[in-house]
Amino acid sequence: QITLKESGPALLKPTQTLTLTCSFSGFSLSTSGGSVGWIRQPPGKALEWLALIYWDGEKRYSPFLESRLSVTKDNFNNEVVLTLTDMDPVDTATYYCVHSSELWLGYGHWGPGILVTVSS
Amino acid sequence: EVVLTQSPGTLSLSPGESATLSCRASESVTSTLLAWYQQKPGQAPRLLISGASNRAAGIPSRFSGSGSGTNFALTISRLEPEDFAMYFCHQYGSLLHSFGQGTKLEIK
Repeated sequence: QITLKESGPALLKPTQTLTLTCSFSGFSLSTSGGSVGWIRQPPGKALEWLALIYWDGEKRYSPFLESRLSVTKDNFNNEVVLTLTDMDPVDTATYYCVHSSELWLGYGHWGPGILVTVSS
Repeated sequence: EVVLTQSPGTLSLSPGESATLSCRASESVTSTLLAWYQQKPGQAPRLLISGASNRAAGIPSRFSGSGSGTNFALTISRLEPEDFAMYFCHQYGSLLHSFGQGTKLEIK
C-alpha cells in the first residue's frame, strides 16, 4: 500500500522560508519511471503544479516559482523535501505531495495535504 | 507552459443525467498525457483518468475520457449523488506540468 504524508509548519511569517517534508512508503523513488511532486491549492481555488523530482534525480519546477523553489530526495529515508523561500501571504495554500509510478500515468497517489498559512 | 482551459466553470445537472466536461490545451498535449481528477470538499484529489482515456484502478465505468491534441473531455454517464464535486484536468506531456482551473459539477 502506497502512502504519502506531508509535514512542516502550519504558520509562517512573510519573508520566511517554507520547508515541507513528504514521507512516503510502499514504493522506492529509485525505481525507474517513478516521481514525486508537489501541488498546492489556495483556499477555494484551483490546483497549482509546483515541482517534480524523478527517480533519476531530474527535477522540474514551475516557471512562475522556479527562483524560489527547491526539491530534493532522500532514497534511504523515503523522503522528498520542498523548500520555498521568501514566503508571502499569497503563498497561503494546502500543499500536497503526490506520486506517479510511471511516466505515462497521472498522480495516482496523494498525501492528505498540509495547510500552510503566511501571516504577520 | 501549456495552459489548460476547462469549461464550463460550473455545470448544474440532476442525478441520472450525463455530464461532459471539457479541457482545452494551448498547444498539443504530447502523447495524450492528460489526466482527470475528482476533488470533494476537504479531500485530496483522486485520479480518475490517465493517458486521456484510461481509467485508474477502482474507478467506475461511468467515467470515461476522450480526446487528443488540444481537445479533451471527461464524460460521466448516469450521474450518482457522489459524483457532484470539482474536476480538474492535468497535462503531464511537457517538461512542466499544469492543471486546468476546474469545473464544479453541482446538483441542479
